[in-house]
Amino acid sequence: DTGVSQDPRHKITKRGQNVTFRCDPISEHNRLYWYRQTLGQGPEFLTYFQNEAQLEKSRLLSDRFSAERPKGSFSTLEIQRTEQGDSAMYLCASSPDQFFGPGTRLTVL
Amino acid sequence: DQQVKQNSPSLSVQEGRISILNCDYTNSMFDYFLWYKKYPAEGPTFLISISSIKDKNEDGRFTVFLNKSAKHLSLHIVPSQPGDSAVYFCAASARSGGSNYKLTFGKGTLLTVNP
Repeated sequence: DTGVSQDPRHKITKRGQNVTFRCDPISEHNRLYWYRQTLGQGPEFLTYFQNEAQLEKSRLLSDRFSAERPKGSFSTLEIQRTEQGDSAMYLCASSPDQFFGPGTRLTVL
Repeated sequence: DQQVKQNSPSLSVQEGRISILNCDYTNSMFDYFLWYKKYPAEGPTFLISISSIKDKNEDGRFTVFLNKSAKHLSLHIVPSQPGDSAVYFCAASARSGGSNYKLTFGKGTLLTVNP
């Protein structure tokens, strides 16, 4: 247990539905990251928060994706109008050396 | 353009022997490197890291070597144990200049340690 938790662990949804994932980082860590991992690939950076400020977004993060970190504590990642290509493991990490949560496995049918 | 490359998709070793996992990078701005271990359906687990000011870092059975001129790093596991069987990811970040420390990962190497 790294101290980073994610909820839910698994999500199955139908194409076109909206989904939201939550990440609770290690409490004293002010940096929080979201990554996405697809089969056969390493995790790919999606977005970064320092406290409540979202400071960088990858070009992988289309306008259907939005992330928030209100009050600089937990973070949420929402995907609107899901597509089958969104099926992946969504990972959250907090810094300094990035400790990852267990991930949320999303399957879009 | 893959900036971090793990050219061996898989590696098989005997229990008790040394496992050597390799990683190459192309971005000269990378100055901090990490190795993670990952089991299926779990998040990556941090193993060991090394800053570019060093060429070696050791932690128990795990040693990471960095060759900056060759843009190459390796993870040595001695002795290998069956519980080490997992996918190992190499990751790199650029920490100088106020960077956000985001990680760039390789595709991973599946290590199998046979009893």
